[in-house]
Amino acid sequence: NAGVMQNPRHLVRRRGQEARLRCSPMKGHSHVYWYRQLPEEGLKFMVYLQKENIIDESGMPKERFSAEFPKEGPSILRIQQVVRGDSAAYFCASSPGGAKFFGPGTRLTVL
Amino acid sequence: DQQVKQNSPSLSVQEGRISILNCDYTNSMFDYFLWYKKYPAEGPTFLISISSIKDKNEDGRFTVFLNKSAKHLSLHIVPSQPGDSAVYFCAAKSNFGNEKLTFGTGTRLTIIP
Repeated sequence: NAGVMQNPRHLVRRRGQEARLRCSPMKGHSHVYWYRQLPEEGLKFMVYLQKENIIDESGMPKERFSAEFPKEGPSILRIQQVVRGDSAAYFCASSPGGAKFFGPGTRLTVL
Repeated sequence: DQQVKQNSPSLSVQEGRISILNCDYTNSMFDYFLWYKKYPAEGPTFLISISSIKDKNEDGRFTVFLNKSAKHLSLHIVPSQPGDSAVYFCAAKSNFGNEKLTFGTGTRLTIIP
């Protein structure tokens, strides 16, 4: 049973470009969470999705950030018009409930 | 507002001795607590958890203690091994938080051979 998959592992974008981060949950998990870790900080919750539904987006910045988890395919975290402050590690977690299983993360660098 | 605090950014422990990592929280609605271990360039790996109805949970070399009145929990690792060197995150959630986790800022544990 493969774990949580994230790709790409590293992503470099110039200011103003778009970043798309993908997450495939563990088999059988229908809950996906996105977290962001800024340098020297802990992980901060961004958004919680179930298939085709956003359940809680209280941690998402109001502008430029969006997330989806379609019926088929991976969950996507989309950042439009990236700025240097978006540089961080973005982790996806999946869960049937209880303890969460995290993916390896995508490290986004904005030049 | 940091609701979960790990006040020691780093800790060094001799191999074979006990490592004690501490965590404090402020939100009295938290009722489930988890510890994660993280290596560089990897995602956090779940270690051990404890529900607020318990004050201790043990799994092999890892034991978590919860003091609800003090809003404090700790992770004990004994004996410490070189492979335990990593960053350890404490996390908490409430029954009303739809499984959303609130993390501390982490403690970097270094085991000295």
